[in-house]
Amino acid sequence: SSELTQDPSVSVALGQTVRITCRGDSLRLYYATWYQQKPGQAPLLVIYGERNRPSGIPDRFSGSSSGDTASLTITGAQAEDEADYYCNSRDSSGNHLVFGGGTRLTVL
Amino acid sequence: QVQLQESGPGLVKPSETLSLTCTVSGGSVNSYYWSWIRQPPGKGLQWIGYIDYSGQTNYNPSLKSRVTISLDTSKNQFSLKLSSVTAADTAVYYCARQRGWGNYEEYFDYWGRGTLVTVSS
Repeated sequence: SSELTQDPSVSVALGQTVRITCRGDSLRLYYATWYQQKPGQAPLLVIYGERNRPSGIPDRFSGSSSGDTASLTITGAQAEDEADYYCNSRDSSGNHLVFGGGTRLTVL
Repeated sequence: QVQLQESGPGLVKPSETLSLTCTVSGGSVNSYYWSWIRQPPGKGLQWIGYIDYSGQTNYNPSLKSRVTISLDTSKNQFSLKLSSVTAADTAVYYCARQRGWGNYEEYFDYWGRGTLVTVSS
């Protein structure tokens, strides 16, 4: 089991808003990073430093955090957002990195 | 544009050593941090470890006894060696550039396409 916990699957209606969460004690001290992965592709960075978007990532993607939970919110989900999403941060020791187990997003 | 490309055998026998190389173009390994990440078929991502521009390493504790990551600045490459492999090490192995080590920098901004390594006799 991972030290960062994600719901295995989430669904959202086209055009609606969805929140994907990542929970872990380390998130009280360290920022989360979020990656999107589509089948057969390498992961793609979508949020870093908790809430920063790399260039080229649509502004419908946003990040936030509260306590031990980091969130990735997609406002107005599109069909192309259907993918697996992984959070990443430090482990409980603070000395290494760890990924969450991933959340499969289905856009209905 | 930074590009990374993994290379190495796609099939490794149990108990042997898995060896992969990542060739970096469009940037220098003399800057930033360089990581390996793997993904077993149908499963999630696992961070293996990184090496920084000075050669300092940091490994996943669960793999530390079997992992070595090294840097070859003359070839602009970095490499992964994983010893005593078993079927559980079968995965797609990705190399990635890690921006740094510090709260705003711990992210992978460039990735290779990944290479599938199967452990089987």
